[in-house]
Amino acid sequence: GIQVEQSPPDLILQEGANSTLRCNFSDSVNNLQWFHQNPWGQLINLFYIPSGTKQNGRLSATTVATERYSLLYISSSQTTDSGVYFCAVTRGGADGLTFGKGTHLIIQP
Amino acid sequence: NAGVTQTPKFRVLKTGQSMTLLCAQDMNHEYMYWYRQDPGMGLRLIHYSVGEGTTAKGEVPDGYNVSRLKKQNFLLGLESAAPSQTSVYFCASSSLDRYGYTFGSGTRLTVV
Repeated sequence: GIQVEQSPPDLILQEGANSTLRCNFSDSVNNLQWFHQNPWGQLINLFYIPSGTKQNGRLSATTVATERYSLLYISSSQTTDSGVYFCAVTRGGADGLTFGKGTHLIIQP
Repeated sequence: NAGVTQTPKFRVLKTGQSMTLLCAQDMNHEYMYWYRQDPGMGLRLIHYSVGEGTTAKGEVPDGYNVSRLKKQNFLLGLESAAPSQTSVYFCASSSLDRYGYTFGSGTRLTVV
């Protein structure tokens, strides 16, 4: 099956800093999504981005499908950004998403 | 609009016991999924369904069964629980275009 690798595995930043999270995938995909899992365990869908660039407030994401990677940018980090960020992909059909192991982000005040 | 609701939220089982986890969605989504999340791992797909009356195996289906008798409900069963099934279980649903997935809040299951 398709492999999804995320880096870095852990990231500790001060409030106000910017960060870039990376997701590499091993095969072509037609669906790529970024999720945030907050410290209480809730998973929130951030972006549907199989290609191109999207922005939502302080967060933006870029996927370069031909090179099989996606980047999630977080600007002016806040403590509420802490949690685990997952990249998940699917190649098509009706099968579910394949998740990476996530990036654990800690924003210190 | 509740989204995706999972019950129960917590459960402790003894080895060999059985139980059923219930997932209900009120968004009229076609697709529903069961995942498990273990420490340091991403989510792994157990089973999924593309519509009422259909189910299919995911990455880690052994030891689990599922049913989708109604479009809004997706049940996950453990017939004989094992300690290796200690995990957090998430249910999710998506529409046909699969642009957005909605997850439930999870069920924390401990098998002793």
